[in-house]
Formats: sequence, C-alpha cells, structure tokens
Amino acid sequence: DVKVTQSSRYLVKRTGEKVFLECVQDMDHENMFWYRQDPGLGLRLIYFSYDVKMKEKGDIPEGYSVSREKKERFSLILESASTNQTSMYLCASAIVGYEQYFGPGTRLTVT
Amino acid sequence: QKEVEQDPGPLSVPEGAIVSLNCTYSNSAFQYFMWYRQYSRKGPELLMYTYSSGNKEDGRFTAQVDKSSKYISLFIRDSQPSDSATYLCAMIKGAQKLVFGQGTRLTINP
Repeated sequence: DVKVTQSSRYLVKRTGEKVFLECVQDMDHENMFWYRQDPGLGLRLIYFSYDVKMKEKGDIPEGYSVSREKKERFSLILESASTNQTSMYLCASAIVGYEQYFGPGTRLTVT
Repeated sequence: QKEVEQDPGPLSVPEGAIVSLNCTYSNSAFQYFMWYRQYSRKGPELLMYTYSSGNKEDGRFTAQVDKSSKYISLFIRDSQPSDSATYLCAMIKGAQKLVFGQGTRLTINP
C-alpha cells in the first residue's frame, strides 16, 4: 500500500511566522503535489514536483514556496503566514497524474 | 465559471438505494476522469478513473463519462452506511494537474 504521511495533523501559527509543512511518501513516486482544501472551493493545486529539485506552479502559488531535495520528501513553505492561509493542506504523490495518493492532511490555523 | 461544477449537496438517502453523483465540466481537453472518496478528517482516496467516454464498473460502483455532453456520473448500487462520505470528481489537464469539483457530501441512512 502507498503511504503518504504529513508531519502534523493540526497546526496553529501566528501571522507573519514562517511555516513548514512536510510530506513523505514511501513508494518511490516521481510526482508529488500540494493542495489546499476549503469549503465551497474544493481542492486547489498550489505546487507540484515531477522530480527532485523540479517544481511547477499550480493554480494558487502566491504566498507559498516548495522544496524537494529528496525524492520521498516534498515540503510546503509559507514564508509569512497570513490568516487567509488558514486551511486544510493535502499532500499527494503519484506515478501518473491521474492516480494520486493523498496523505491525511494538515489543518493549519493562522491567528 | 468554474472548470468543473459539482453540486455540494448534502445528499441523504436510505440504505440500499441507488445513488447518482454528477459533475459537469467546460474544458473539452480533459481526458481522464476520476472519482475520489473522502471520509471525515481523512485525505481523499481514489475510487475509480476512466479514460474518455463510456462506462466502467467496479463492484457496486459505476463511473460514466459522456464527453459530448461534458458530463460525468458515479452510481453506487445497494448503498451502505459505510459509503457515507464526500465524493469528489476530478479531471486531468496536461500530464499532471488535477482539477477537482467541490465535492458532494453523501449520507446513507440505516
């Protein structure tokens, strides 16, 4: 079974803090993704990576950056957290784009 | 206009009923069509995917794609309380980027 783990289930941070969300997959997948999920908006793609050190912007990259130094690990960075970044963050990995496996999510609250 | 439209519900049906969940889309370039199931406080899990128009069956689940109408459906037969979840349709554009519907919250009542 594919396993995608995320570093925290719940996180509370203050406005202006730098926030790191970590994601690890154990299936040697090339592709990894970060989404946020908000009521009424569904899942929206923030960034994805198709190889180590390679990244592409998704639909809502503003205010975020990513890092992929190792194949199994993909990090999402909020440089200066803001209240409108309060959301559920979901990481996924895939061999092919249409078969993505998701982690359990991190619910981030920015106060 | 959103690329993918999905009625958020909620939808509540009795156990054993046939459930129909639907999405419409506007981008004719979409080729792969997916259904994900998401239980409360969990990440989405892939239920089924189909390529192009037609039907695909997996146990009690049938996915249907009508590209001419830009309409996809998921049917659940003999619905069970364990099917209670949010169901998300998704479509792929390009090689990697999924576009999701809002999700429909489904409750199956015993």
